[in-house]
Amino acid sequence: AQRVTQPEKLLSVFKGAPVELKCNYSYSGSPELFWYVQYSRQRLQLLLRHISRESIKGFTADLNKGETSFHLKKPFAQEEDSAMYYCALSNQGGKLIFGQGTELSVKP
Amino acid sequence: NAGVTQTPKFRILKIGQSMTLQCTQDMNHNYMYWYRQDPGMGLKLIYYSVGAGITDKGEVPNGYNVSRSTTEDFPLRLELAAPSQTSVYFCQTRDREKGELFFGEGSRLTVL
Repeated sequence: AQRVTQPEKLLSVFKGAPVELKCNYSYSGSPELFWYVQYSRQRLQLLLRHISRESIKGFTADLNKGETSFHLKKPFAQEEDSAMYYCALSNQGGKLIFGQGTELSVKP
Repeated sequence: NAGVTQTPKFRILKIGQSMTLQCTQDMNHNYMYWYRQDPGMGLKLIYYSVGAGITDKGEVPNGYNVSRSTTEDFPLRLELAAPSQTSVYFCQTRDREKGELFFGEGSRLTVL
């Protein structure tokens, strides 16, 4: 079965602290993994995809097939990073499912 | 360029009524999806389509039906509305090459 788990509903950190948003997945084939972000009153937008291996807004994510994880990391959180973050998995057939989301709150 | 247009924005239904949520896109994306979002539950995939004439079930398809006769349109049908279908529904397209998602405004459906 295809499944995405984000164990934390809410993550609260202080500005300048490191951030790690966890994402674990279950899929027997070769997944395509994404992180999407939703800022207050805005639509979901793509943050990262694992195949591009880019760093966007200081965030990175590495696919760990052994641990079936795709955790999102940033060394120094900023207040403008406060948002809902969704991890998503797509199979080769185009099916796209999301985790439950993690609300990141960065305090001054 | 309208993107993804989803109607209606709000609807109240009585138990047992039927309705169709409309979704139209003008970006020529093959991939289209219907999700429902309940408080604290994230987005649950109802149905998806990877092209005209092709549809497939998602995580929570029961009580819903879809069709995809054209690339542009992907309507979602509720045949016998139930209170459990009270939710916010989002239509979405995906740019397969870039991974970008394009969402409709959402439709808030209440079944009483």
